[in-house]
Amino acid sequence: KAGVTQTPRYLIKTRGQQVTLSCSPISGHRSVSWYQQTPGQGLQFLFEYFSETQRNKGNFPGRFSGRQFSNSRSEMNVSTLELGDSALYLCASSVGTGQIYEQYFGPGTRLTVT
Amino acid sequence: GENVEQHPSTLSVQEGDSAVIKCTYSDSASNYFPWYKQELGKGPQLIIDIRSNVGEKKDQRIAVTLNKTAKHFSLHITETQPEDSAVYFCAASPSPGGTSYGKLTFGQGTILTVHP
Repeated sequence: KAGVTQTPRYLIKTRGQQVTLSCSPISGHRSVSWYQQTPGQGLQFLFEYFSETQRNKGNFPGRFSGRQFSNSRSEMNVSTLELGDSALYLCASSVGTGQIYEQYFGPGTRLTVT
Repeated sequence: GENVEQHPSTLSVQEGDSAVIKCTYSDSASNYFPWYKQELGKGPQLIIDIRSNVGEKKDQRIAVTLNKTAKHFSLHITETQPEDSAVYFCAASPSPGGTSYGKLTFGQGTILTVHP
């Protein structure tokens, strides 16, 4: 079974621009969670989508948004980029129903804001 | 909300020794505790997990123990090998639902170095 894929793997943007990152979950998984990883703050939860609906959201400003498509693929968008948005953005795929908790991560998208 | 503390932040061992990483959590509602291994340039890889109805779980050289009363859990790696060198993260989560869907709260990570 193929793992979680994320595109692009690397991205360089300028302050004020916006960016869209993509995540394809493991086949059959309907839940996608997004995390931001930085050296200072570690791994922090952004939001979770299931069946095209956002079920949970972390403590990030409204500039961070996401969506999920009917095939479970997900995108996250960051508008008006700031230098502090430079991070590794990870998505994690899960079955998303019942008591099955396991989350499997993709390789991440490394975003650099200059 | 949940807070997870992880110690030590760095751990250096000789090949063949054991390594132990400890985490404490604050939310008594947490009942799922995964451990992840992250190698340079890769995403976190789930290596073992434990649920609150189990006190210990083993998978070859890796074991995890959970003490719900004290709110702490530990990762034990025996017979360490150089390829075990990586950053290890613990995490905690309550049952999925409400504000808990999809959310893992992570510790700050432990850099494990295994010297040949």
